[in-house]
Amino acid sequence: GENVEQHPSTLSVQEGDSAVIKCTYSDSASNYFPWYKQELGKGPQLIIDIRSNVGEKKDQRIAVTLNKTAKHFSLHITETQPEDSAVYFCAEGLGSNYQLIWGAGTKLIIKP
Amino acid sequence: DAMVIQNPRYQVTQFGKPVTLSCSQTLNHNVMYWYQQKSSQAPKLLFHYYDKDFNNEADTPDNFQSRRPNTSFCFLDIRSPGLGDAAMYLCATSPEPQGSVEQYFGPGTRLTVT
Repeated sequence: GENVEQHPSTLSVQEGDSAVIKCTYSDSASNYFPWYKQELGKGPQLIIDIRSNVGEKKDQRIAVTLNKTAKHFSLHITETQPEDSAVYFCAEGLGSNYQLIWGAGTKLIIKP
Repeated sequence: DAMVIQNPRYQVTQFGKPVTLSCSQTLNHNVMYWYQQKSSQAPKLLFHYYDKDFNNEADTPDNFQSRRPNTSFCFLDIRSPGLGDAAMYLCATSPEPQGSVEQYFGPGTRLTVT
């Protein structure tokens, strides 16, 4: 069945260092891979997404890479700042299906 | 700013007492979703509306119902809340019912059942 594995469940990094969160998906037909950031007491907000025809996408300090062969995609945050502390969810989507399949989430802690 | 609005942000209800949560959107999106989220787990889809067409997830309890009187508004009704229904309820919208488009989330309503 459809499944997205997300690792690690908790990640603690020093302010200014980089953070990497990895997800593995199972459906080779999936073509959309968003990353959502959820701050405490708020709804998830899309921070970056990638489609299956692209291997990498970057937006300032945030980047996402996609390896379709291995069915992996990763979120990279460089020069981490305190406001990056949140729970991050990866997901996979398929154009022919209305659902997003969500990872379990990663709690990112930025240590001052 | 265009957005997804949820009211109230915090709701306390008694065990077994019906409760309604509301969501409105100014994005003019065709699809509205209701999710349940517990303890920083991933959001769990309860149902969605594509325009006026209602789509229920197979494992959504009968205790949960939804109404969409117009494009802008959608309501979640919990007929007889149990302690296990305490959670964050998230409303989201998207232009089309496809897994390949962005979903826009509201801030959520935190439901407490006493």
